[in-house]
Amino acid sequence: DAGVTQSPTHLIKTRGQHVTLRCSPISGHKSVSWYQQVLGQGPQFIFQYYEKEERGRGNFPDRFSARQFPNYSSELNVNALLLGDSALYLCASSNPGLAGGELFFGEGSRLTVL
Amino acid sequence: GDSVTQMEGPVTLSEEAFLTINCTYTATGYPSLFWYVQYPGEGLQLLLKATKADDKGSNKGFEATYRKETTSFHLEKGSVQVSDSAVYFCALRAAGNQFYFGTGTSLTVIP
Repeated sequence: DAGVTQSPTHLIKTRGQHVTLRCSPISGHKSVSWYQQVLGQGPQFIFQYYEKEERGRGNFPDRFSARQFPNYSSELNVNALLLGDSALYLCASSNPGLAGGELFFGEGSRLTVL
Repeated sequence: GDSVTQMEGPVTLSEEAFLTINCTYTATGYPSLFWYVQYPGEGLQLLLKATKADDKGSNKGFEATYRKETTSFHLEKGSVQVSDSAVYFCALRAAGNQFYFGTGTSLTVIP
């Protein structure tokens, strides 16, 4: 079975630009979460979506937005990029109804802002 | 608020040494606890988990016990291998299914 897939794997943008990152969850998983991992730090929660509705939002500015589609795939959008947005963006899918309910991560999209 | 504090790294050990990585947490309610591992250039992989107090999670020789009285979930392995070199993250799942991660502990095992 395919795991969580993310695209693109690497991208370079300049300050002020916009970026869209994409994620496909594991088949059957209805929840997708986005995390930002700055070099040397643990992942920080950005958004969680379940059944196409936003269920949680971390402490990130309004430049960050996301959505989930009917097939449960998701996009993360970041506007007006800043140098500090350079990070590994991780998508995770889960089945919250299951005991344990761990996150399954993709390999991430590494964003560099110049 | 909910949070995880884990031992600062980096940690360097010789092969077959004993490993302990400390993790403590702060949470309302009764969170589930996890250890994730991240190999260079990869995403996070679940290593083990525990969903209630006194549960012991184990996988690939690693173990961690959910201690409610000390709010801890320390990771241990009796004999590390070079292939265990990675970054290890302690995490909790809070109410609402939001996860909180520690800052990570880098482990290097030398032959």
